[in-house]
Amino acid sequence: DQQVKQNSPSLSVQEGRISILNCDYTNSMFDYFLWYKKYPAEGPTFLISISSIKDKNEDGRFTVFLNKSAKHLSLHIVPSQPGDSAVYFCAASTFGNEKLTFGTGTRLTIIP
Amino acid sequence: DVKVTQSSRYLVKRTGEKVFLECVQDMDHENMFWYRQDPGLGLRLIYFSYDVKMKEKGDIPEGYSVSREKKERFSLILESASTNQTSMYLCASSQGSPNQPQHFGDGTRLSIL
Repeated sequence: DQQVKQNSPSLSVQEGRISILNCDYTNSMFDYFLWYKKYPAEGPTFLISISSIKDKNEDGRFTVFLNKSAKHLSLHIVPSQPGDSAVYFCAASTFGNEKLTFGTGTRLTIIP
Repeated sequence: DVKVTQSSRYLVKRTGEKVFLECVQDMDHENMFWYRQDPGLGLRLIYFSYDVKMKEKGDIPEGYSVSREKKERFSLILESASTNQTSMYLCASSQGSPNQPQHFGDGTRLSIL
């Protein structure tokens, strides 16, 4: 049972435009959410996180939105740059539990 | 910066062999994790450890074991390698407090022939 779902395997966006990556979850006990970025032949790198007490968190060009009632989070990248081309994973955990549950990933391609 | 180092980037082994994957972190993190990444399946947790000599099964522990004799080192062992264990293996570490991100190594691409 996939508790964290990324329903879009791939996404292509023009350079300079907004990229929106989506993630849905089924476990209402999740209260901490993260986004990771992964280049080929490298490990995932932590991008941004949000706890369930917030509905938005920003870090430079990256913003994560959390809609708890819909069990949905999204990552916005504005403006998109060629170096943003990578696979993006969302992940979730419950309070006090160091284990993360990952989605299947979305491959983002930024078109110059 | 956190450094998680996996001993091999690429490894080729034969079915039935005992395979060791090593991981070392330099940030004194309490928690360490082993995942495998397969196309269309994302990252799946094999085992994790929250302290020296402590281990817990993840979602797919079958066919694997782990060892953590020192805080900085976490080993994944394939007891008798099989072709379905061909995969990308990723090690991660994190601090032992709530809501801390995990930091990953660059992975080991393991092929079992």
